[in-house]
Amino acid sequence: AQKVTQAQTEISVVEKEDVTLDCVYETRDTTYYLFWYKQPPSGELVFLIRRNSFDEQNEISGRYSWNFQKSTSSFNFTITASQVVDSAVYFCALRPSGGSYIPTFGRGTSLIVHP
Amino acid sequence: SAVISQKPSRDICQRGTSLTIQCQVDSQVTMMFWYRQQPGQSLTLIATANQGSEATYESGFVIDKFPISRPNLTFSTLTVSNMSPEDSSIYLCSVEDQAGETQYFGPGTRLLVL
Repeated sequence: AQKVTQAQTEISVVEKEDVTLDCVYETRDTTYYLFWYKQPPSGELVFLIRRNSFDEQNEISGRYSWNFQKSTSSFNFTITASQVVDSAVYFCALRPSGGSYIPTFGRGTSLIVHP
Repeated sequence: SAVISQKPSRDICQRGTSLTIQCQVDSQVTMMFWYRQQPGQSLTLIATANQGSEATYESGFVIDKFPISRPNLTFSTLTVSNMSPEDSSIYLCSVEDQAGETQYFGPGTRLLVL
Protein backbone atom coordinates (compact mmCIF):
# COMPACT_ATOMS: atom_id res chain seq x y z
CA ALA A 1 0.00 0.00 0.00
CA GLN A 2 1.15 3.51 -0.70
CA LYS A 3 0.65 6.57 1.38
CA VAL A 4 1.50 10.25 1.01
CA THR A 5 1.37 12.52 4.02
CA GLN A 6 1.30 16.28 3.83
CA ALA A 7 1.11 17.18 7.48
CA GLN A 8 0.75 20.91 6.90
CA THR A 9 -2.87 21.66 6.16
CA GLU A 10 -2.41 25.38 5.72
CA ILE A 11 0.58 27.69 5.71
CA SER A 12 0.34 31.46 5.82
CA VAL A 13 3.33 33.66 4.96
CA VAL A 14 4.03 37.22 4.01
CA GLU A 15 5.33 37.99 0.56
CA LYS A 16 9.09 37.49 0.08
CA GLU A 17 9.32 34.92 2.83
CA ASP A 18 10.71 31.49 2.01
CA VAL A 19 8.37 28.57 2.64
CA THR A 20 8.84 24.80 2.65
CA LEU A 21 6.02 22.36 2.01
CA ASP A 22 6.61 18.94 3.48
CA CYS A 23 5.82 15.60 1.86
CA VAL A 24 6.50 12.22 3.42
CA TYR A 25 5.63 9.01 1.64
CA GLU A 26 5.40 5.27 2.24
CA THR A 27 5.80 2.62 -0.41
CA ARG A 28 7.04 -0.95 -0.76
CA ASP A 29 8.02 -0.41 -4.36
CA THR A 30 11.72 -0.16 -5.12
CA THR A 31 11.20 2.21 -8.03
CA TYR A 32 8.61 4.91 -8.12
CA TYR A 33 7.85 8.46 -9.15
CA LEU A 34 7.13 11.45 -6.96
CA PHE A 35 5.23 14.52 -8.12
CA TRP A 36 4.21 17.97 -7.05
CA TYR A 37 1.13 19.70 -8.46
CA LYS A 38 -0.19 23.20 -7.90
CA GLN A 39 -3.89 23.98 -7.75
CA PRO A 40 -4.62 27.72 -7.86
CA PRO A 41 -8.08 29.03 -6.95
CA SER A 42 -9.19 28.50 -10.54
CA GLY A 43 -9.15 24.77 -9.83
CA GLU A 44 -6.81 23.55 -12.53
CA LEU A 45 -4.15 21.10 -11.40
CA VAL A 46 -0.78 22.21 -12.74
CA PHE A 47 2.11 19.76 -12.97
CA LEU A 48 5.29 21.12 -11.37
CA ILE A 49 7.81 18.29 -11.18
CA ARG A 50 8.36 14.56 -11.48
CA ARG A 51 11.22 12.85 -9.70
CA ASN A 52 12.30 9.26 -10.24
CA SER A 53 13.22 7.32 -7.12
CA PHE A 54 16.76 6.56 -8.32
CA ASP A 55 17.54 10.21 -8.89
CA GLU A 56 18.16 11.91 -5.57
CA GLN A 57 19.62 15.07 -6.99
CA ASN A 58 17.90 18.16 -5.76
CA GLU A 59 16.30 20.31 -8.39
CA ILE A 60 15.92 24.04 -8.72
CA SER A 61 13.62 25.84 -11.11
CA GLY A 62 13.60 29.58 -10.60
CA ARG A 63 12.20 30.25 -7.14
CA TYR A 64 11.16 26.61 -6.73
CA SER A 65 13.40 23.89 -5.37
CA TRP A 66 12.82 20.30 -4.38
CA ASN A 67 14.71 18.23 -1.83
CA PHE A 68 14.34 14.47 -2.30
CA GLN A 69 15.73 12.32 0.52
CA LYS A 70 15.15 8.63 0.10
CA SER A 71 16.58 7.87 3.53
CA THR A 72 13.76 9.78 5.19
CA SER A 73 11.14 9.13 2.47
CA SER A 74 10.62 12.81 1.99
CA PHE A 75 10.20 15.04 -1.04
CA ASN A 76 9.95 18.59 0.22
CA PHE A 77 9.20 21.65 -1.85
CA THR A 78 10.62 25.10 -1.11
CA ILE A 79 9.47 28.37 -2.57
CA THR A 80 11.99 31.16 -2.21
CA ALA A 81 10.86 34.77 -1.96
CA SER A 82 7.20 33.83 -2.11
CA GLN A 83 4.75 35.90 -4.12
CA VAL A 84 1.00 36.38 -3.91
CA VAL A 85 0.63 34.36 -7.12
CA ASP A 86 2.07 31.37 -5.28
CA SER A 87 -1.13 31.19 -3.24
CA ALA A 88 -2.62 27.79 -4.07
CA VAL A 89 -3.11 24.28 -2.80
CA TYR A 90 -0.08 22.12 -3.44
CA PHE A 91 -0.37 18.35 -3.79
CA CYS A 92 2.37 15.79 -3.48
CA ALA A 93 1.78 12.45 -5.23
CA LEU A 94 3.44 9.04 -5.59
CA ARG A 95 3.07 6.18 -8.04
CA PRO A 96 5.10 3.07 -8.78
CA SER A 97 7.14 3.14 -11.97
CA GLY A 98 5.64 -0.16 -13.08
CA GLY A 99 2.27 -1.80 -12.67
CA SER A 100 -0.43 0.55 -11.41
CA TYR A 101 -0.28 3.90 -13.12
CA ILE A 102 -2.60 5.55 -10.63
CA PRO A 103 -0.88 8.12 -8.42
CA THR A 104 -1.65 8.37 -4.74
CA PHE A 105 -2.19 11.97 -3.73
CA GLY A 106 -1.59 13.63 -0.41
CA ARG A 107 -4.32 15.74 1.14
CA GLY A 108 -2.69 18.94 -0.04
CA THR A 109 -1.21 21.99 1.66
CA SER A 110 -2.95 25.31 1.25
CA LEU A 111 -0.40 28.11 0.92
CA ILE A 112 -1.58 31.66 1.48
CA VAL A 113 0.85 34.42 0.63
CA HIS A 114 -0.13 37.81 2.00
CA PRO A 115 1.05 41.01 0.33
CA SER B 1 2.45 17.90 -22.47
CA ALA B 2 -1.03 17.48 -23.92
CA VAL B 3 -3.49 20.35 -23.94
CA ILE B 4 -6.70 19.29 -22.23
CA SER B 5 -9.98 21.17 -22.26
CA GLN B 6 -13.17 20.52 -20.36
CA LYS B 7 -16.73 21.67 -20.80
CA PRO B 8 -18.51 23.09 -18.96
CA SER B 9 -16.06 24.88 -16.70
CA ARG B 10 -18.73 25.19 -14.05
CA ASP B 11 -22.42 24.54 -13.57
CA ILE B 12 -25.15 24.78 -11.00
CA CYS B 13 -27.67 21.97 -11.20
CA GLN B 14 -30.81 20.88 -9.45
CA ARG B 15 -30.89 17.60 -7.55
CA GLY B 16 -32.20 14.68 -9.51
CA THR B 17 -30.86 15.94 -12.83
CA SER B 18 -27.81 14.74 -14.78
CA LEU B 19 -24.82 16.57 -16.18
CA THR B 20 -22.42 15.42 -18.87
CA ILE B 21 -18.86 16.72 -18.73
CA GLN B 22 -16.74 16.66 -21.86
CA CYS B 23 -12.98 16.25 -22.03
CA GLN B 24 -11.02 16.96 -25.21
CA VAL B 25 -7.29 16.33 -25.70
CA ASP B 26 -5.20 17.80 -28.49
CA SER B 27 -3.38 14.51 -29.16
CA GLN B 28 -4.28 10.84 -29.21
CA VAL B 29 -3.96 9.14 -25.85
CA THR B 30 -4.57 5.57 -24.80
CA MET B 31 -5.96 6.14 -21.35
CA MET B 32 -8.02 8.94 -19.92
CA PHE B 33 -8.85 9.31 -16.26
CA TRP B 34 -11.69 10.96 -14.38
CA TYR B 35 -11.17 12.29 -10.87
CA ARG B 36 -13.43 13.87 -8.30
CA GLN B 37 -12.28 16.45 -5.77
CA GLN B 38 -14.80 17.18 -3.08
CA PRO B 39 -14.56 20.55 -1.33
CA GLY B 40 -11.36 20.86 0.65
CA GLN B 41 -10.33 17.31 -0.17
CA SER B 42 -7.72 15.56 -2.24
CA LEU B 43 -8.30 13.87 -5.59
CA THR B 44 -10.14 10.58 -5.86
CA LEU B 45 -10.01 8.52 -9.02
CA ILE B 46 -13.47 7.67 -10.36
CA ALA B 47 -12.55 5.56 -13.37
CA THR B 48 -10.09 4.89 -16.16
CA ALA B 49 -11.40 5.10 -19.72
CA ASN B 50 -9.74 3.24 -22.57
CA GLN B 51 -10.91 3.73 -26.11
CA GLY B 52 -12.88 0.77 -27.37
CA SER B 53 -13.57 -0.83 -24.02
CA GLU B 54 -15.70 -0.23 -20.98
CA ALA B 55 -14.37 2.06 -18.33
CA THR B 56 -12.80 0.58 -15.21
CA TYR B 57 -14.34 1.98 -12.04
CA GLU B 58 -12.66 2.36 -8.68
CA SER B 59 -14.18 1.08 -5.50
CA GLY B 60 -17.15 3.19 -4.48
CA PHE B 61 -18.02 4.34 -7.99
CA VAL B 62 -20.50 2.63 -10.28
CA ILE B 63 -21.37 2.90 -13.93
CA ASP B 64 -25.03 3.72 -13.30
CA LYS B 65 -24.07 6.82 -11.35
CA PHE B 66 -21.05 7.86 -13.45
CA PRO B 67 -21.43 6.54 -17.01
CA ILE B 68 -18.40 7.25 -19.16
CA SER B 69 -17.98 7.29 -22.90
CA ARG B 70 -14.72 7.07 -24.83
CA PRO B 71 -15.64 7.19 -28.51
CA ASN B 72 -12.13 7.97 -29.81
CA LEU B 73 -8.55 8.59 -28.72
CA THR B 74 -9.00 12.31 -28.06
CA PHE B 75 -12.36 12.59 -26.33
CA SER B 76 -14.29 11.32 -23.33
CA THR B 77 -17.39 12.22 -21.40
CA LEU B 78 -18.37 11.68 -17.79
CA THR B 79 -22.01 11.91 -16.77
CA VAL B 80 -23.01 12.55 -13.20
CA SER B 81 -26.46 11.03 -12.92
CA ASN B 82 -29.36 11.69 -10.58
CA MET B 83 -27.34 14.32 -8.79
CA SER B 84 -27.52 15.15 -5.11
CA PRO B 85 -25.76 17.91 -3.15
CA GLU B 86 -23.08 15.37 -2.19
CA ASP B 87 -22.01 15.34 -5.84
CA SER B 88 -20.90 18.96 -5.59
CA SER B 89 -17.22 18.74 -6.48
CA ILE B 90 -14.59 19.58 -9.00
CA TYR B 91 -14.42 16.91 -11.70
CA LEU B 92 -11.06 16.61 -13.41
CA CYS B 93 -10.09 14.84 -16.58
CA SER B 94 -6.52 13.56 -16.85
CA VAL B 95 -4.24 11.90 -19.40
CA GLU B 96 -0.82 10.32 -19.24
CA ASP B 97 2.16 11.52 -21.21
CA GLN B 98 3.44 9.27 -23.98
CA ALA B 99 6.10 7.80 -21.72
CA GLY B 100 3.41 6.78 -19.26
CA GLU B 101 5.16 8.60 -16.45
CA THR B 102 3.16 11.73 -15.67
CA GLN B 103 -0.53 12.56 -15.53
CA TYR B 104 -1.64 15.93 -16.78
CA PHE B 105 -4.95 17.44 -15.83
CA GLY B 106 -7.63 19.46 -17.50
CA PRO B 107 -8.93 22.71 -16.02
CA GLY B 108 -11.71 20.94 -14.16
CA THR B 109 -15.47 21.33 -13.99
CA ARG B 110 -16.90 22.90 -10.85
CA LEU B 111 -20.27 21.41 -10.10
CA LEU B 112 -22.69 22.73 -7.50
CA VAL B 113 -25.85 20.73 -6.88
CA LEU B 114 -28.68 22.48 -5.08
